[in-house]
Amino acid sequence: LAKTTQPISMDSYEGQEVNITCSHNNIATNDYITWYQQFPSQGPRFIIQGYKTKVTNEVASLFIPADRKSSTLSLPRVSLSDTAVYYCLVGVPGLSGGYQKVTFGTGTKLQVIP
Amino acid sequence: DGGITQSPKYLFRKEGQNVTLSCEQNLNHDAMYWYRQDPGQGLRLIYYSQIVNDFQKGDIAEGYSVSREKKESFPLTVTSAQKNPTAFYLCASSGGTGNTIYFGEGSWLTVV
Repeated sequence: LAKTTQPISMDSYEGQEVNITCSHNNIATNDYITWYQQFPSQGPRFIIQGYKTKVTNEVASLFIPADRKSSTLSLPRVSLSDTAVYYCLVGVPGLSGGYQKVTFGTGTKLQVIP
Repeated sequence: DGGITQSPKYLFRKEGQNVTLSCEQNLNHDAMYWYRQDPGQGLRLIYYSQIVNDFQKGDIAEGYSVSREKKESFPLTVTSAQKNPTAFYLCASSGGTGNTIYFGEGSWLTVV
């Protein structure tokens, strides 16, 4: 699976747009990019997934440049309840590396300030 | 309600005892996973299973065992051989576009 690099932490004020970037220089042709949100003592929750260009859903947008070596999760107008850890995962279980093995990085801890 | 169900949410174990964490999914996913998460840390893969009656070790399998007798179920046993079992345990399954991974709500295991 592609190794990913994210900032360890970020702070943002309520109401601002937050962009979290993930670097994945060795992304493979078949790899998808998936973002998760995790609150303390809860399982990571799927936020958004994309392959190229831009994907938008009701909670976030995902921007992927043409070379796909990075991706940016965009959270519009964050609130205090968006304080969480955000994980970027690159790969497709079962295809990446030819085996079903998925590893997560340490994620980005987002702190939203009132 | 579709999803992944883990039980119990909180479990206390005495040293030297084995305990089993339950994981059931009704998403019809072939693949299932167990992760361990220590406070303030990322997720580490314990075991994964691509299909019924088959499973593979992840990065930290020592002291753990699993079984996959049914597609819906992937229980994890934490044995007495696991030296530091106190942690948050997450079960997951994957399927659909991009074989997306979905998680259960987790189980806290504390050794007393």
